[in-house]
Amino acid sequence: AQTVTQSQPEMSVQEAETVTLSCTYDTSENNYYLFWYKQPPSRQMILVIRQEAYKQQNATENRFSVNFQKAAKSFSLKISDSQLGDTAMYFCAFIPGRDDKIIFGKGTRLHILP
Amino acid sequence: GAVVSQHPSWVICKSGTSVKIECRSLDFQATTMFWYRQFPKQSLMLMATSNEGSKATYEQGVEKDKFLINHASLTLSTLTVTSAHPEDSSFYICSAPDQTSGSRETQYFGPGTRLLVL
Repeated sequence: AQTVTQSQPEMSVQEAETVTLSCTYDTSENNYYLFWYKQPPSRQMILVIRQEAYKQQNATENRFSVNFQKAAKSFSLKISDSQLGDTAMYFCAFIPGRDDKIIFGKGTRLHILP
Repeated sequence: GAVVSQHPSWVICKSGTSVKIECRSLDFQATTMFWYRQFPKQSLMLMATSNEGSKATYEQGVEKDKFLINHASLTLSTLTVTSAHPEDSSFYICSAPDQTSGSRETQYFGPGTRLLVL
């Protein structure tokens, strides 16, 4: 079965600190796509960052970066210089290469404290 | 990025009535759209895959006669909750991949529809 596991249900950090959200996944596919989505209190799902499994280089988007370890099937998200607006639920997700359905983890609720 | 809209953003209805939710891709065409249901503080649960010009594909445990899906054009999919009951109250979200873009697997999400059945 293809699954996504987020082991941290909830986290809190002070503003301006760096925080890392964990994600592991399980798949037998060799090609797939990984994502982190953010869902703020408005509940709009927002794409934070994406990674193609065949690319070794870790994706970065401004303050957001990932640590992609393909052999370990790990895909953690690092948020640098955290801001109050980063408070949200964060979902790790992936799409197996031959499919178009997205598989979500259960999410990590992140609180950025002033 | 691509934009997906949903209408209405929230709806309150009486038990036994039917409710239609629209999902539109505003600046791209989507042959496939997805419908999810999300309970408070939980993840998104895929309900069905909407296919333009053909029948929707439902996930196991989702009643196809209860949740009718129509994908009549390349920019519009509708979800109709038939004979709604209080247990159908939830947050419904749609998504669509922009298959004409360089990242055809990336899905863009609508803002969601809150349904409350009294």
